[in-house]
Amino acid sequence: SQQGEEDPQALSIQEGENATMNCSYKTSINNLQWYRQNSGRGLVHLILIRSNEREKHSGRLRVTLDTSKKSSSLLITASRAADTASYFCAMVGSGTYKYIFGTGTRLKVLA
Amino acid sequence: DADVTQTPRNRITKTGKRIMLECSQTKGHDRMYWYRQDPGLGLRLIYYSFDVKDINKGEISDGYSVSRQAQAKFSLSLESAIPNQTALYFCATSDLQGTEAFFGQGTRLTVV
Repeated sequence: SQQGEEDPQALSIQEGENATMNCSYKTSINNLQWYRQNSGRGLVHLILIRSNEREKHSGRLRVTLDTSKKSSSLLITASRAADTASYFCAMVGSGTYKYIFGTGTRLKVLA
Repeated sequence: DADVTQTPRNRITKTGKRIMLECSQTKGHDRMYWYRQDPGLGLRLIYYSFDVKDINKGEISDGYSVSRQAQAKFSLSLESAIPNQTALYFCATSDLQGTEAFFGQGTRLTVV
């Protein structure tokens, strides 16, 4: 399977703590993106990191990418109850531009 | 109006029936995708299309077919539905550079 793997599968933290989720993939990528999904609804784009980049920031989000290890991580700092959702990495294939998603991490932030 | 619209939102059908899920988009994108989501398995790619004349199989295309009727429309058919096709189905579009995918709200399909 080309699908990416994410860990942990589920994560439960207290409000104010940081949440880190990891993604590993198998293919060559043009870029890697992270998406959020609330309760079985459509996915919403969060952030993109290109294959020649190592780190990106957007507000409380920090993404890293290590193409030699074919892995990425998403850090959400100072989490809030409203961050409770599932998070997915998406690999955009190099040359194919096909989107392949990871298995997802379910994040629960307790107030 | 939503950028990507899926119909129906919910559907219950019987084993062996043919069913079509429809997707339309107003983003003007050439690239469209169909995924299914199952608990713990994330989103798996069924079919994708990079323009009206380009249709490609994804990871799990068996039992499914698609039609790209226009740039804005991409429909998914289950020729003879079976219970293990019960899932949440998503349609998505993306730009040519693959910088962002836009998703519909999903179709929850139950095959009994």
